Amino acid sequence: GENVEQHPSTLSVQEGDSAVIKCTYSDSASNYFPWYKQELGKGPQLIIDIRSNVGEKKDQRIAVTLNKTAKHFSLHITETQPEDSAVYFCAALVNYGGSQGNLIFGKGTKLSVKP
Amino acid sequence: DTAVSQTPKYLVTQMGNDKSIKCEQNLGHDTMYWYKQDSKKFLKIMFSYNNKELIINETVPNRFSPKSPDKAHLNLHINSLELGDSAVYFCASSRVGTVWGYTFGSGTRLTVV
Repeated sequence: GENVEQHPSTLSVQEGDSAVIKCTYSDSASNYFPWYKQELGKGPQLIIDIRSNVGEKKDQRIAVTLNKTAKHFSLHITETQPEDSAVYFCAALVNYGGSQGNLIFGKGTKLSVKP
Repeated sequence: DTAVSQTPKYLVTQMGNDKSIKCEQNLGHDTMYWYKQDSKKFLKIMFSYNNKELIINETVPNRFSPKSPDKAHLNLHINSLELGDSAVYFCASSRVGTVWGYTFGSGTRLTVV
């Protein structure tokens, strides 16, 4: 089945610097790759996603890139702010024939932005 | 106006007990999920369910069972609770064919003592 690897597990940056989190996936049939942000005591919240027919997507300070050939995708956060501190998860969609699919998550990256 | 709501938020119980966690979504989604998040923050799919099929992660013990009284609810029943069941359980929902808009609840922290 699908396996999603995420690196690094922890990342500490200075406010204003950029942060990059990388993920790889194993199932070449996966076609949807979201990123979630989880703040302390809360559920994961979708922050950006990308489909397999797109190589890059940007939303203000965050961007995601996808390399289908290499089966890896990355999250880029520019001009980091203390409120960006959280655990970030990448995920890949696995379809089970029909129309139903499950998201398989990476193990998360704890991002700390130091003021 | 909460999109995906879980109750209770915290649950402390003794080993061997049977407990349930409730989940409701008001987004009109037709697929619901349960995830387990362990102490290392790893999110693991347990079940996904719509009105046509239930998909079970084969690693989930059969002490865990989802119950769906209607499309808006997917409750999680756990029998004979064990210490290793302690974790945060998240419910989520999506619309079939449009997995974007995969919305999580705020989680239920289960502690088995």
